[in-house]
Amino acid sequence: NAGVTQTPKFQVLKTGQSMTLQCAQDMNHEYMSWYRQDPGMGLRLIHYSVGAGITDQGEVPNGYNVSRSTTEDFPLRLLSAAPSQTSVYFCASSSSLLTETQYFGPGTRLLVL
Amino acid sequence: SQQGEEDPQALSIQEGENATMNCSYKTSINNLQWYRQNSGRGLVHLILIRSNEREKHSGRLRVTLDTSKKSSSLLITASRAADTASYFCATDWGTGGFKTIFGAGTRLFVKA
Repeated sequence: NAGVTQTPKFQVLKTGQSMTLQCAQDMNHEYMSWYRQDPGMGLRLIHYSVGAGITDQGEVPNGYNVSRSTTEDFPLRLLSAAPSQTSVYFCASSSSLLTETQYFGPGTRLLVL
Repeated sequence: SQQGEEDPQALSIQEGENATMNCSYKTSINNLQWYRQNSGRGLVHLILIRSNEREKHSGRLRVTLDTSKKSSSLLITASRAADTASYFCATDWGTGGFKTIFGAGTRLFVKA
């Protein structure tokens, strides 16, 4: 199994541009989530999904959209990038509740100029 | 507003010594987890302790949970240079406990 994969690994955007961060898992996990990690800080939950077709907001959802059309994929969309969205983004999945063991992807480093 | 807060923020020890990190949280929880993050990598799950458990072991890791004090500790015994990483505690959060909230982490540096 590849586990949780994320693309791209690095991305530079200009303010106002939009883009989609991809996340996929091959473990048939129902629960998936997106976090952002800013320097010297822990992870903050952006959005999460408890199954295909079901998503909900986390701590810091503003400026981001998600969808879950399949069990495997959970893309994160930045609608209009802002410098405050410069961060490292991690996707994670879990076979049970999000509050149980999560498996993390390698992250996407995003720089918004 | 983060639920979990680790202490200390940074810790530097010699190889072979024990490392202790603490985590405090604010609201009642169903479980608490510890994760490790090597520089530039994703998080790796280390151990989960449930609210009705007081202590749990996994190899060189020992986790304790005191729900009356809303605190947990992670002890790494006989540390190795490879243990150098950031360590985060995470708790369930929000209605229904569907969400996880992380602390800011403890940066551990083990000198060879």
